[in-house]
Amino acid sequence: NAGVTQTPKFQVLKTGQSMTLQCAQDMNHNSMYWYRQDPGMGLRLIYYSASEGTTDKGEVPNGYNVSRLNKREFSLRLESAAPSQTSVYFCASSLQGSWNSPLHFGNGTRLTVT
Amino acid sequence: GENVEQHPSTLSVQEGDSAVIKCTYSDSASNYFPWYKQELGKGPQLIIDIRSNVGEKKDQRIAVTLNKTAKHFSLHITETQPEDSAVYFCAASNRDSSYKLIFGSGTRLLVRP
Repeated sequence: NAGVTQTPKFQVLKTGQSMTLQCAQDMNHNSMYWYRQDPGMGLRLIYYSASEGTTDKGEVPNGYNVSRLNKREFSLRLESAAPSQTSVYFCASSLQGSWNSPLHFGNGTRLTVT
Repeated sequence: GENVEQHPSTLSVQEGDSAVIKCTYSDSASNYFPWYKQELGKGPQLIIDIRSNVGEKKDQRIAVTLNKTAKHFSLHITETQPEDSAVYFCAASNRDSSYKLIFGSGTRLLVRP
């Protein structure tokens, strides 16, 4: 049981480049999330998927797109990376909404945009 | 929307002492308050949570208290150990927006041996 797996672990991009962060969970969870973590700002929700086939914006969705590929996988895409998107990105999953079930986080992707 | 403030940002205690981390929230509709612990290089992990129908919850050396009137809640760690050193995050949500868990800015706890 790997839990939540994120790839890659590290990435360096130049401004304007695009990339997709991958996330997969093997816990048969219905809901998946993407957060970013910046110093002094905690974790901020980018997008979430309450269930397979649905996605919704979180607190800071601008500059990002997501795809819930199937029940297991939820990807985050940066179409044109900017230095302000330098951050650590965490994917998480939960059986239901966070009110009923805890979030399980992956170990993060550290992204640097130069 | 909800806003969660967390204090202090860093906390250093001697092994065996107690540590207290405090959070305030803005949305009176919030009724679920989890605490997550993040160790170096890892993702956060839930350690304890409380719902608004109770004022206190304990799990061994960890306790959380909630004051709904003042809209604040606190994490208490007693008999701290070096392995308690980590970053701790409080968070808040409610049933109607249960997918939007709003986190505080985090507290880096250092337990000195």
